[in-house]
Formats: sequence, C-alpha cells, structure tokens
Amino acid sequence: EDKVVQSPLSLVVHEGDTVTLNCSYEVTNFRSLLWYKQEKKAPTFLFMLTSSGIEKKSGRLSSILDKKELFSILNITATQTGDSAIYLCAPKKGGKLIFGQGTELSVKP
Amino acid sequence: IAGITQAPTSQILAAGRRMTLRCTQDMRHNAMYWYRQDLGLGLRLIHYSNTAGTTGKGEVPDGYSVSRANTDDFPLTLASAVPSQTSVYFCASSDSTKSNTEAFFGQGTRLTVV
Repeated sequence: EDKVVQSPLSLVVHEGDTVTLNCSYEVTNFRSLLWYKQEKKAPTFLFMLTSSGIEKKSGRLSSILDKKELFSILNITATQTGDSAIYLCAPKKGGKLIFGQGTELSVKP
Repeated sequence: IAGITQAPTSQILAAGRRMTLRCTQDMRHNAMYWYRQDLGLGLRLIHYSNTAGTTGKGEVPDGYSVSRANTDDFPLTLASAVPSQTSVYFCASSDSTKSNTEAFFGQGTRLTVV
C-alpha cells in the first residue's frame, strides 16, 4: 500500500529561522513529487520534482528529491510570518496525488 | 479566470439527508478529483475522473458517488449523510494529457453532518 509520512507534524519557529520539512514515502513507480502550501483554504502549488538530486528553488524556498532513500525535503530560509501554513507533499502516481498528513508551520514574529 | 469553483462553501446537514457538492472548472482539464481533508489524515482521494464519461474510486469512496457528464462539472453526492462524513471537501483538476503538471484546487466545502 502506498504511504507518505511527513515530519514533523507541527513546528513553531521565529521569524528569520530556517526550517526543513521532511517527506518520506513508500510509493512505487511515480513520475513526480509535488509540494503544496495550504493557508486558509485551497492548497497552492509550490514545486514539482521529477529527478533525484536536482534542487528546485523559488526565492527563500527550495526542495529536493532523493529517489534512492525515498524522501524529499522542503527548506525555507529566513522565515516570515506569511510562511505560516500547512505544507503538503504528494507523489503523483497514475495521475493521482497521494498526500501525506502535512506539516503545520507556525512562524512567530 | 475562475479556475475551480466549489459550492456551497459550507453546509450543515442533518444525518440521513442527501447532499450534492458542486464543482466546476473552466480550464478544460480532462482529469478531476474529489478529496476530503481531516485533521491528522491529510487529503484522501474519494473519487476521480480521467475524462468526461469515466469515473474511478479512490482511497475512501464508500458513501459517495460522482458523475462526469461533461468536461467542466464533477459533482459529488452523499446519498445518506453520516456524521463521519463531516470534513472539508476539495475538488481538484489537472491536465493529465501533459506529463508532469500540477493539480489545481478549489476553495473547499466545509460540511458538518449532525
């Protein structure tokens, strides 16, 4: 059975801190792994990772996928209060996203 | 551009009642999905449709049905609601004809079954 586990489940940091969010998976034969940010309502797309070892970067956020060790990480540097959200990772298999439980990040001023 | 529209945004429903959650997209995406989100469990796939006229079961399909009469609409029906169906429901769509594209989500419907 396909399984995705995110850690930690919740995290409280102060502005300016750097955080690393983890996503471990037991999913075979998937084409890509996606990260989403969910604030109040709809998840919004952050990254799509298709190749192992290639970092994707967008401003203060970066992410990488390790298909050998079966995990992905999302890094956020110099966190801001606006980064407070639930972060979701999801391997995409057969067109369908398989979500982890999410990591709830809270950034305090 | 609206993207994906869900209705209603929230609903309180008596147990045993029938309810249809509506989802419409204007991106001409072929694939559509329904997820439910519960605390500690993330988003779980209920049903999906790869193209108009076809549907499939996801991880938690029991108690739900869907139809896909055309490309734009993908309603989710609870035939006889139960309290365990209290959840936030998200509709999503993607263009699965292209490899490696993301899914876009609606704003969600918060459903409380009492």
